[in-house]
Amino acid sequence: NAGVTQTPKFRVLKTGQSMTLLCAQDMNHEYMYWYRQDPGMGLRLIHYSVGEGTTAKGEVPDGYNVSRLKKQNFLLGLESAAPSQTSVYFCASTQGMFSEAFFGQGTRLTVV
Amino acid sequence: KNQVEQSPQSLIILEGKNCTLQCNYTVSPFSNLRWYKQDTGRGPVSLTIMTFSENTKSNGRYTATLDADTKQSSLHITASQLSDSASYICVVSASRGGADGLTFGKGTHLIIQP
Repeated sequence: NAGVTQTPKFRVLKTGQSMTLLCAQDMNHEYMYWYRQDPGMGLRLIHYSVGEGTTAKGEVPDGYNVSRLKKQNFLLGLESAAPSQTSVYFCASTQGMFSEAFFGQGTRLTVV
Repeated sequence: KNQVEQSPQSLIILEGKNCTLQCNYTVSPFSNLRWYKQDTGRGPVSLTIMTFSENTKSNGRYTATLDADTKQSSLHITASQLSDSASYICVVSASRGGADGLTFGKGTHLIIQP
């Protein structure tokens, strides 16, 4: 049972490049989330999904897009990367709205 | 605006000693409060969860308390070990019906020295 798996673990992008972060969970959870974590700040919600085919904006959605075509996968896209998007990105999933969140190991993204 | 404040920001203690981390919140309406442990380079892992009616919960050497009246929680670590070195994050859920109702504290960075 792998839990929540993020791909890739590390990435360096040039300003303006695009990329997609993949999150996969094998716990049949309904809810999935993308967060970013920056030094001195708490985890901030980018986008989330309450089920297959649904997405919603979180606290800091600008510059990101997401898709949930399959229940087990939640994709985070950066269309035109900016240095301000340098961060560590965490994916999480929960069974219900108030259930325990299970996190992936994180993706460290640097935009130069 | 919902907020979660944690103190101290960082803490260094000797192995074997006890310590207590604090969490104050202004999340409303309150649903539950969790403490997570985040090792360096890893994702957070849940330690405890408490609802409104619970005022203490233990998980091994970790004991969390909750005072819903004063909106304060603490995480007490007994007989600290080197493996306790990590960031500890307080997360409060608001029962407002939205899936984005999680408010994260900035965490307390704990270092255990031998």
